Amino acid sequence: QKEVEQDPGPLSVPEGAIVSLNCTYSNSAFQYFMWYRQYSRKGPELLMYTYSSGNKEDGRFTAQVDKSSKYISLFIRDSQPSDSATYLCAGLKTSYDKVIFGPGTSLSVIP
Amino acid sequence: GAGVSQSPSNKVTEKGKDVELRCDPISGHTALYWYRQSLGQGLEFLIYFQGNSAPDKSGLPSDRFSAERTGGSVSTLTIQRTQQEDSAVYLCASGPSGNHNEQFFGPGTRLTVL
Repeated sequence: QKEVEQDPGPLSVPEGAIVSLNCTYSNSAFQYFMWYRQYSRKGPELLMYTYSSGNKEDGRFTAQVDKSSKYISLFIRDSQPSDSATYLCAGLKTSYDKVIFGPGTSLSVIP
Repeated sequence: GAGVSQSPSNKVTEKGKDVELRCDPISGHTALYWYRQSLGQGLEFLIYFQGNSAPDKSGLPSDRFSAERTGGSVSTLTIQRTQQEDSAVYLCASGPSGNHNEQFFGPGTRLTVL
C-alpha cells in the first residue's frame, strides 16, 4: 500500500463548479500536509500547506485535514479553466522528514 | 528572480549509455532535492543535499545512479548504463533551509531511454 493515495482521475468539471480533490494516507505520524499544482510539462508548485488537523483557506482554495480518518481534501470554488492541472497531495512527519507525494489527480475545467 | 532551472529539458538516449542531468537551484538555497516522476507513480524521492553533502540518498534506486553538488549550488544527477525503466521526468527542487515543506521545483528533464 502506498503511503499517500489519490484517485488519478481524470476529473472533468464545468467552469464555475466546486471541485473536491481527495487523498488518503496511511502513516499516522504525518503532521504536515501539502497540495501542489502541476501544469503539463512544468514542475509542481506549492498551493497550500497545513499543519495537523483543520481547515485552511486561501482565496478560492480550501485545504482540509482530518487526521482521525487520515483524509485530506482540497476544495476549489468557482473553478476556472486555468485550474486545469494535476494536483498532488503530500505528507510528512516533521518538517525535516522526507516528503511523501501521492500520484496526483488530473483536473480539467471545461469553459 | 530566477527560479530553479534544469538542463537539458529533454534527453533521448540509447540503452546502456550514461547521462548527466543538471540542476541550477535558486540562488542562496541550501537544500536541493532530486525526484523522479513516472506516469501515475507520483514523485519518487531520490536524494537530498544540504550544502554539498547528501544526508539522505536513500531514494537512489541502484548504484547506477549518483549525484553531486558543488559550491553549494549546481547539482548533477548521473545515470550510468541507462535502462528503459529509467525513462521518466527527473525533477529538481531547492529550498532555503532544511525545512522540507519549502521546496521550489524546476521544470524537469524528460529522459527517454530507447
